[in-house]
Amino acid sequence: GAVVSQHPSRVICKSGTSVKIECRSLDFQATTMFWYRQFPKQSLMLMATSNEGSKATYEQGVEKDKFLINHASLTLSTLTVTSAHPEDSSFYICSAREPGRLPEAFFGQGTRLTVV
Amino acid sequence: GENVEQHPSTLSVQEGDSAVIKCTYSDSASNYFPWYKQELGKRPQLIIDIRSNVGEKKDQRIAVTLNKTAKHFSLHITETQPEDSAVYFCAASNTGNQFYFGTGTSLTVIP
Repeated sequence: GAVVSQHPSRVICKSGTSVKIECRSLDFQATTMFWYRQFPKQSLMLMATSNEGSKATYEQGVEKDKFLINHASLTLSTLTVTSAHPEDSSFYICSAREPGRLPEAFFGQGTRLTVV
Repeated sequence: GENVEQHPSTLSVQEGDSAVIKCTYSDSASNYFPWYKQELGKRPQLIIDIRSNVGEKKDQRIAVTLNKTAKHFSLHITETQPEDSAVYFCAASNTGNQFYFGTGTSLTVIP
């Protein structure tokens, strides 16, 4: 149990286009999901907290208009990188906590985004 | 918000020796401290965790200690093996809230 699935695992896009990344909790409901970004050889940096049915909470320095988060259901959160630039190339990972298995968090497999 | 610092950033040990990684945190409300092992391009894998009401926890060759007063916690790996080579992250969290990760330690176990 407690599986988080992220899609796609890899994506290459052209500068100026938008990319959507999906994060799904497969066997539990997640009212809250978290989005992280990881640059090569660096740590996971929290970008935002995705709240089902309400607006996401963004960490300081993260542009909410560039990184659009939608948590439309209890099992799906999406991160859309709008007008992507090469500097947005990174590894994006989502996580969620299952209410019955707190406080452990479960991570998606990550999405490697390359903007060319 | 929470600030988690981790040391060292790189660590090389001979196979069979012990490895110790240390983290400090700033938010006294944090009460859950997991450790993750991450291989390149993969998701973090939980290897051990500790809650704030416990001072030490051990699972075979891995142990974690927590000093809540000093706001620091450590990962201890004994009898290291080459397959222990990876990047390790500590994290701190207030139950139900987001995780904040340390900067990572690249561990190399030399055969």
